[in-house]
Amino acid sequence: AAGVIQSPRHLIKEKRETATLKCYPIPRHDTVYWYQQGPGQDPQFLISFYEKMQSDKGSIPDRFSAQQFSDYHSELNMSSLELGDSALYFCASSPGTDLNEQFFGPGTRLTVL
Amino acid sequence: QKEVEQNSGPLSVPEGAIASLNCTYSDRGSQSFFWYRQYSGKSPELIMSIYSNGDKEDGRFTAQLNKASQYVSLLIRDSQPSDSATYLCAVDGGSQGNLIFGKGTKLSVKP
Repeated sequence: AAGVIQSPRHLIKEKRETATLKCYPIPRHDTVYWYQQGPGQDPQFLISFYEKMQSDKGSIPDRFSAQQFSDYHSELNMSSLELGDSALYFCASSPGTDLNEQFFGPGTRLTVL
Repeated sequence: QKEVEQNSGPLSVPEGAIASLNCTYSDRGSQSFFWYRQYSGKSPELIMSIYSNGDKEDGRFTAQLNKASQYVSLLIRDSQPSDSATYLCAVDGGSQGNLIFGKGTKLSVKP
């Protein structure tokens, strides 16, 4: 079965640089969620999209923005990167928001030096 | 602030035993409850979802929900070394479906 695809899988950036993370949801899933997981931490919700519209916002810094495109893929844009942004970034998708079973992608490991 | 609480463990059980993982949540209005398994450095993998009071069984896994006590549990029967992982309890955080996770319980199954 098709799964959530994320790219790149690993990313190394310098402080103050920008990064773009991409997520391709499971086919026919119209809802995408972004989570950040720091070392030894639980995943923290950042932002979500339903039918290409932002549906909810969590603890996402103002330096970050995201969008969902017409093909339902989503991109998380991160600017003015800080050392504390080093984490695993997961995208999850679900078929709507009712039952909310979310299926996670493999994640992007971002390291900020 | 909605919260999900889990014992961090580690919980150690012998191979073949039953592992019991527990979770409590703060928001009495929560409707959806999930258990995810996460191996170190990997993504969370959905193993169970439960929406109504009672038990739900899927293979070796049984999820139990008690909304009156705001309590969710996961039983793993015939535990295998491959079950060794961190188990994350997650609860719906609002109408738009984002999840609130507990900090996870690390399970170790000894051969």
